[in-house]
Amino acid sequence: DSGVTQTPKHLITATGQRVTLRCSPRSGDLSVYWYQQSLDQGLQFLIQYYNGEERAKGNILERFSAQQFPDLHSELNLSSLELGDSALYFCASSGVAGGGQNIQYFGAGTRLSVL
Amino acid sequence: DQQVKQNSPSLSVQEGRISILNCDYTNSMFDYFLWYKKYPAEGPTFLISISSIKDKNEDGRFTVFLNKSAKHLSLHIVPSQPGDSAVYFCAASAGRGSTLGRLYFGRGTQLTVWP
Repeated sequence: DSGVTQTPKHLITATGQRVTLRCSPRSGDLSVYWYQQSLDQGLQFLIQYYNGEERAKGNILERFSAQQFPDLHSELNLSSLELGDSALYFCASSGVAGGGQNIQYFGAGTRLSVL
Repeated sequence: DQQVKQNSPSLSVQEGRISILNCDYTNSMFDYFLWYKKYPAEGPTFLISISSIKDKNEDGRFTVFLNKSAKHLSLHIVPSQPGDSAVYFCAASAGRGSTLGRLYFGRGTQLTVWP
């Protein structure tokens, strides 16, 4: 168990709809990252928040937005959904591993299916 | 633009033998590299990392080698075990400070270890 919690695990919706994915980072971690993994692709970085502020942005579509709340949980909002948005969405938080390495811990992901 | 490349989508190895997974990168600003393992329906799990100031890092059965001049790294697993069967992702980061920045991922290599 990484300590990063993502809900829901699965989401099935229709084109044109809007959904919200939720992430709770590990206790004490201030940074949250969102990644998208489409079929047979590596994880593509979407956006990073640090202590409530946007820190970095990747190839995130304008239809997508995110925020991090005072309790450090984060939400990724996807609107006007298209078939191509079907993917696994991962959230990660960063911390120090047992060996002292600075790493990202990943949640189990939310599988989004747009029909 | 794929800045981290894993050119072998799959690798099959007999139990007890060595598994070698390769990764190439193009961005000379990358200074920290990580390997993650991913089982189906789970998030990526951190395996091992290496800083650009080193050329080798070892942790039990796992060793990562970094060749900066060739912009190449490899993960060696010896001896390989059936439980190692998973998708392995290579990831890289640039300008690592106290907070880990975004990770750039390869597309992954599916390792199958057969008895």
